[in-house]
Amino acid sequence: QQPVQSPQAVILREGEDAVINCSSSKALYSVHWYRQKHGEAPVFLMILLKGGEQKGHDKISASFNEKKQQSSLYLTASQLSYSGTYFCGISNTGNQFYFGTGTSLTVIP
Amino acid sequence: EAGVAQSPRYKIIEKRQSVAFWCNPISGHATLYWYQQILGQGPKLLIQFQNNGVVDDSQLPKDRFSAERLKGVDSTLKIQPAKLEDSAVYLCASSPGASGRTYEQYFGPGTRLTVT
Repeated sequence: QQPVQSPQAVILREGEDAVINCSSSKALYSVHWYRQKHGEAPVFLMILLKGGEQKGHDKISASFNEKKQQSSLYLTASQLSYSGTYFCGISNTGNQFYFGTGTSLTVIP
Repeated sequence: EAGVAQSPRYKIIEKRQSVAFWCNPISGHATLYWYQQILGQGPKLLIQFQNNGVVDDSQLPKDRFSAERLKGVDSTLKIQPAKLEDSAVYLCASSPGASGRTYEQYFGPGTRLTVT
């Protein structure tokens, strides 16, 4: 039931864009996105509820395609501070919660 | 506003010993989670409480793990007896809403457990 993320890892130069995908085999109620830096706890980025909404703040945004059971996280004009591991978290109709496999993002100068 | 508190931060035990972790969520948060995060993997939900009731414990190895949330505030996670594969970071998180689906989770610093 763990959602699968792609890519597993990505290296960017400052200012480049990235897309991280999250796919589930089960029907979704909501999708969460978190960023975890090495040795630290995950930090909340945003939540998307079913209905195909798109959210964003600053230069990070996300979309949720309920029919395809997928979500994507978009990072534009990446900054050094964006480095870390990104996890999607999915909640299904049974109120269970699963984090994804993770995507390691490294931004270099 | 104080964040999620966890203790201890680090623990080293031998296999077959017992260990307990404590979590104090953000004041007023109804939902509390315990996760196990093995190095290089995403957090795995062990148990979710709403107030002092269990919402989901489907991934909790109940033969050795137990958890309680007395009075709907603090929570304790126990492992008895520990195995080598229990070496991981144990994260506690809390959420302001009654449903974990629609509210963000705030994580504590975690407890790093090493079983030798």
